[in-house]
Amino acid sequence: QVHLQESGPGLVKPSDTLSLTCAVSGGSVSSPTYYWSWIRQPPGKGLEYIGSVFYTGSTYYNPSLKSRVTISIDTSKNQFSLQLTSVTAADTAVYFCARRDGSSSFFFYWGLGALVAVSS
Amino acid sequence: QSVLTQPPSVSGAPGLRVTISCTGNNSNIGAGYDVHWYQQFPGKAPKLLIYGTTNRPSGVPDRFSGSKSGTSASLAITGLQAEDEADYYCQSHDGSLSEVFGGGTKLTVL
Repeated sequence: QVHLQESGPGLVKPSDTLSLTCAVSGGSVSSPTYYWSWIRQPPGKGLEYIGSVFYTGSTYYNPSLKSRVTISIDTSKNQFSLQLTSVTAADTAVYFCARRDGSSSFFFYWGLGALVAVSS
Repeated sequence: QSVLTQPPSVSGAPGLRVTISCTGNNSNIGAGYDVHWYQQFPGKAPKLLIYGTTNRPSGVPDRFSGSKSGTSASLAITGLQAEDEADYYCQSHDGSLSEVFGGGTKLTVL
């Protein structure tokens, strides 16, 4: 059973950078079979894909967020991270980390989610 | 606006059958990419319900089934139960936009 756990500040000021880390247990981020991903959900709204990282460090981003997003991976710590720059209130959301299947793109394992509010 | 279009809500009486549609275009569903479905309860993470358009992960009741035709996909739930009341999301790959989700459908069991 793979477990993912998000961590990071729950409050970020406008124009600052949102940073979250996802710790993985029960599985390895070095697996060549999966992509490690971030998905967010604004309060009361639907799911939005942010992007994914492969164990090689290759990244894939939602074009609408690409200019502000960096996803990185730390195989030594078995975790991956999200940075979102120049945040506004529209970035307030629950941020989920998830494991994406490499061949069919579905997300099987999800973290519990971390609520990040953008406010001064 | 979501790339994949779902009805905001559907409802049905216990024991009956409901379907939830997911409409895309020729860059995603119509291009042959798999469709996946998730069930989400309030305050919880989504749970994979259907993957690869028609496959159920272990533990998902066979009351849930998926299908696809052209640029659309559907999730069918038969023998509706009160515990099925939740939000449902479809997801696919888009050749130009990477992974895309539907806007979600709230299922109410009457």
